[in-house]
Amino acid sequence: GESVGLHLPTLSVQEGDNSIINCAYSNSASDYFIWYKQESGKGPQFIIDIRSNMDKRQGQRVTVLLNKTVKHLSLQIAATQPGDSAVYFCAGNTNTGNQFYFGTGTSLTVIP
Amino acid sequence: DADVTQTPRNRITKTGKRIMLECSQTKGHDRMYWYRQDPGLGLQLIYYSFDVKDINKGEISDGYSVSRQAQAKFSLSLESAIPNQTALYFCATRGQGTEQFFGPGTRLTVL
Repeated sequence: GESVGLHLPTLSVQEGDNSIINCAYSNSASDYFIWYKQESGKGPQFIIDIRSNMDKRQGQRVTVLLNKTVKHLSLQIAATQPGDSAVYFCAGNTNTGNQFYFGTGTSLTVIP
Repeated sequence: DADVTQTPRNRITKTGKRIMLECSQTKGHDRMYWYRQDPGLGLQLIYYSFDVKDINKGEISDGYSVSRQAQAKFSLSLESAIPNQTALYFCATRGQGTEQFFGPGTRLTVL
């Protein structure tokens, strides 16, 4: 079946350092992927997405890299700030594109 | 005001009770979703709807039903709640793009 998983359940980084959160997926037919941020007590919020015809996409302080050969994507956060502390989810769409499968999440803690 | 609202935000109920969770949106989106989230796990899709006449089962629809009363409203029901339905429930909407907009969640506890 479909699966999208994350390599590490928790990640701690020093404020100002860069963070890298990884995600593996199993469905070769997925043609776009999304990263969400979920703060405590809130619903997930969209961060950035990437289509399968791209290897890299940059946003404000965030970069998503997609390696279709090994079915892996990563989220890089530059100059991590305390406000970045949250759980980060990756999600990939299904063959039909109508649904998304979410990973289990990585909890990022930023140490002041 | 929030674009996607959920009521109630917290609910404690007993096994066997019927529960309805409500979701409303002001984004004008046709697509709406219900997910559940368990501790340490990702979101699992329960049901989704692409318009008022279109309802589809997700990966974990057993024990749940939904109603799309209007474009702006999508309700999730547990006909006879059981303890393993204790979870955090999220409603989401989606427009023409890829982004889903999530509500604040409903924390449901079934005793």
